[in-house]
Amino acid sequence: KAGVTQTPRYLIKTRGQQVTLSCSPISGHRSVSWYQQTPGQGLQFLFEYFSETQRNKGNFPGRFSGRQFSNSRSEMNVSTLELGDSALYLCASSPSGGESEQFFGPGTRLTVL
Amino acid sequence: QKEVEQDPGPLSVPEGAIVSLNCTYSNSAFQYFMWYRQYSRKGPELLMYTYSSGNKEDGRFTAQVDKSSKYISLFIRDSQPSDSATYLCAMRTFTGANSKLTFGKGITLSVRP
Repeated sequence: KAGVTQTPRYLIKTRGQQVTLSCSPISGHRSVSWYQQTPGQGLQFLFEYFSETQRNKGNFPGRFSGRQFSNSRSEMNVSTLELGDSALYLCASSPSGGESEQFFGPGTRLTVL
Repeated sequence: QKEVEQDPGPLSVPEGAIVSLNCTYSNSAFQYFMWYRQYSRKGPELLMYTYSSGNKEDGRFTAQVDKSSKYISLFIRDSQPSDSATYLCAMRTFTGANSKLTFGKGITLSVRP
């Protein structure tokens, strides 16, 4: 079974731009969660999607948004990028969410200049 | 106070040493306790999870939970250079669809040959 895939793996943007990251979950998994990982704050929960609906949300500004498609693939968008948005963005999938195990992708490394 | 606090690192030990990694938490609603391992340029992978106080063993790894004192530990026996990675504790409340994972900041372990 293929694992969670994320594209692109690396991205460089400038302040003020917007970016869209993509995540393909493991086949059959309907829950996709997004996290931001930085050295200073660690792994922080952004949001979770299940069956095309946002089910949980972390404490991030509205510039961070996401969506999920009918095939469970998910995208995350960050608008008006700031230097502090530089981070590793990870997505994780699970069959229905709430399970003890989520399977993480390799992440997208975003650098904002 | 953050919900989950993890001992800061980095930690460097010689091969064969016993490693002890610790986290404390403040939210009594946490019911599931996990340890993830993250190698460089990879997403986190689940090492162990438990939901009850006490010890759970898996090969060279032992996860310990003390709910009364609100701390969890991961012990690694006979540590190997291949154990060099970042270790993250994670905890989950269980409110069904509204459950989410909260992570510690992680500690980087280096096992010297």
